Amino acid sequence: NAGVTQTPKFRVLKTGQSMTLLCAQDMNHEYMYWYRQDPGMGLRLIHYSVGEGTTAKGEVPDGYNVSRLKKQNFLLGLESAAPSQTSVYFCASSPWVLETQYFGPGTRLLVL
Amino acid sequence: DAKTTQPTSMDCAEGRAANLPCNHSTISGNEYVYWYRQIHSQGPQYIIHGLKNNETNEMASLIITEDRKSSTLILPHATLRDTAVYYCIVLTGANNLFFGTGTRLTVIP
Repeated sequence: NAGVTQTPKFRVLKTGQSMTLLCAQDMNHEYMYWYRQDPGMGLRLIHYSVGEGTTAKGEVPDGYNVSRLKKQNFLLGLESAAPSQTSVYFCASSPWVLETQYFGPGTRLLVL
Repeated sequence: DAKTTQPTSMDCAEGRAANLPCNHSTISGNEYVYWYRQIHSQGPQYIIHGLKNNETNEMASLIITEDRKSSTLILPHATLRDTAVYYCIVLTGANNLFFGTGTRLTVIP
């Protein structure tokens, strides 16, 4: 099992550009999450999904959209990137809401 | 929403036990205490969790006070590879996840 994988590992964007981050898990987990982590800070929840076809807002959802068309994939979109979105983005999945979350290796995004 | 308070940093000598405290004074009866750690800039790694009773696994032990307002993560024999940021999280549902800034543990040779 690969666990949780994230694509790409690193990306540089110009202000106003758009991009999609892909998270994939092969553990048949129902729940998936997107977090961001700024330097010296803890993780903050952006959006999450409780199952295929569902999404919900977390602590810091503004400027991001998500989709969960397939159970194994959770996409995070930036429609118009801003420098404030420079961060490390982590995806995670869990079998159910109160169970252990498994994290991906992260995507480092730099917005110029 | 129950949130947690942890010391910003701690040091521990290699081979000694590392005791990491966490306060969660507003925790309610159905909220679990989870511990994760993050080494360098890798994705967080699950360590242990508990509700009321003390728990132990191959990585660590979790001691929860009787009133559940605080807990302690114990790494029995710290190694240099245990140097990381340790997060104490109180968990009720997917929209209540709050990692905070954690405790930076440095294991000293």
